[in-house]
Amino acid sequence: DVKVTQSSRYLVKRTGEKVFLECVQDMDHENMFWYRQDPGLGLRLIYFSYDVKMKEKGDIPEGYSVSREKKERFSLILESASTNQTSMYLCASSLASGGTGELFFGEGSRLTVL
Amino acid sequence: DQQVKQNSPSLSVQEGRISILNCDYTNSMFDYFLWYKKYPAEGPTFLISISSIKDKNEDGRFTVFLNKSAKHLSLHIVPSQPGDSAVYFCAVRISGSARQLTFGSGTQLTVLP
Repeated sequence: DVKVTQSSRYLVKRTGEKVFLECVQDMDHENMFWYRQDPGLGLRLIYFSYDVKMKEKGDIPEGYSVSREKKERFSLILESASTNQTSMYLCASSLASGGTGELFFGEGSRLTVL
Repeated sequence: DQQVKQNSPSLSVQEGRISILNCDYTNSMFDYFLWYKKYPAEGPTFLISISSIKDKNEDGRFTVFLNKSAKHLSLHIVPSQPGDSAVYFCAVRISGSARQLTFGSGTQLTVLP
């Protein structure tokens, strides 16, 4: 089974702090993604990566950056956390091509910014 | 510009009855349509998908219908069970797109015992 592991399930940070969210997948997937989920807004794509050291902006990249130094690991960075970044963050991975485009998700990281 | 819309934020159904969740899309270039289920404090899990060349796909209690002329997708759950209570997201894929999937806003299904 595909396993996508997010390092922290729950975090509480203060406004202005730097926040790192880590994600590791064990299925040798080329693509990795960061989404945030907010009530009524669904899953919104922040950034994605289709290869090591490659990254692409999604729909809501402002206030975020990402890092992909190894194929299995994709990190989301909030340089200076703000209260409007309080959300559920979801990491996902997928194969580069073929199939249905199915994404495999981690369990999520619930971030609260005070 | 929302490419995928789930117009019902919530739906309540009695146990044993049919649940019908709906999704509308705008782009004829989508080649796959997927449904995900999400429980609170967990990541979404894949439920069922359908190719754009088909109009129906069935997996146990779950059936997805695709009406290409109306650009409409629906998920039927029969019979509904209390364990089906979750948020359901539809998702669409454009062939060859690196960003893979675009998700709807979700529908909270509550199955009442």
